Amino acid sequence: NAGVMQNPRHLVRRRGQEARLRCSPMKGHSHVYWYRQLPEEGLKFMVYLQKENIIDESGMPKERFSAEFPKEGPSILRIQQVVRGDSAAYFCASSTGTGTYNEQFFGPGTRLTVL
Amino acid sequence: GNSVTQMEGPVTLSEEAFLTINCTYTATGYPSLFWYVQYPGEGLQLLLKATKADDKGSNKGFEATYRKETTSFHLEKGSVQVSDSAVYFCALSGSGTASKLTFGTGTRLQVTL
Repeated sequence: NAGVMQNPRHLVRRRGQEARLRCSPMKGHSHVYWYRQLPEEGLKFMVYLQKENIIDESGMPKERFSAEFPKEGPSILRIQQVVRGDSAAYFCASSTGTGTYNEQFFGPGTRLTVL
Repeated sequence: GNSVTQMEGPVTLSEEAFLTINCTYTATGYPSLFWYVQYPGEGLQLLLKATKADDKGSNKGFEATYRKETTSFHLEKGSVQVSDSAVYFCALSGSGTASKLTFGTGTRLQVTL
């Protein structure tokens, strides 16, 4: 059973370009979470999705950021018109969404650098 | 809202020394508590967990006990190895299933020979 897959692992963009980050959850997992890790900081929750639905986007910046998890295919985190402050590691996690506690399995992350 | 506070690093220890990384939390209801480990250039791996008061999570020689009275979940290991060098994150998940994780800022551990 493959783990959570993220691609690309490293992404370089110039200011004003768009960044698209992809996440394929573990097999059998229908819940996806995106977190952002700024340099020397902990992870901050951004958004929680189930298939075709956004459940909680309380950590998502109001502008330029969007996320989707279509019925088919990976979850996508999209950042439009990137700025230097968007440079960070973006981690995706997945879970089954069931059970008495929430065990999330993390991908290796996408490291975004904005020049 | 929920929050996690953990001791700042870096923590530098000699091999075979005793390790404690403090973690306290603020949460409503009955959260689940976790320790994650992040090796350089990699994602987070779940190290151990506890889902209710007085539970002890353990894995690879690491232990942490869920203390509701002191709202703490301190990580301990009796004898660290060089291979334990990593960043350790304390985290909590709110009551109920499938909720988001709230992380501490992480503690970097460096173990030397």
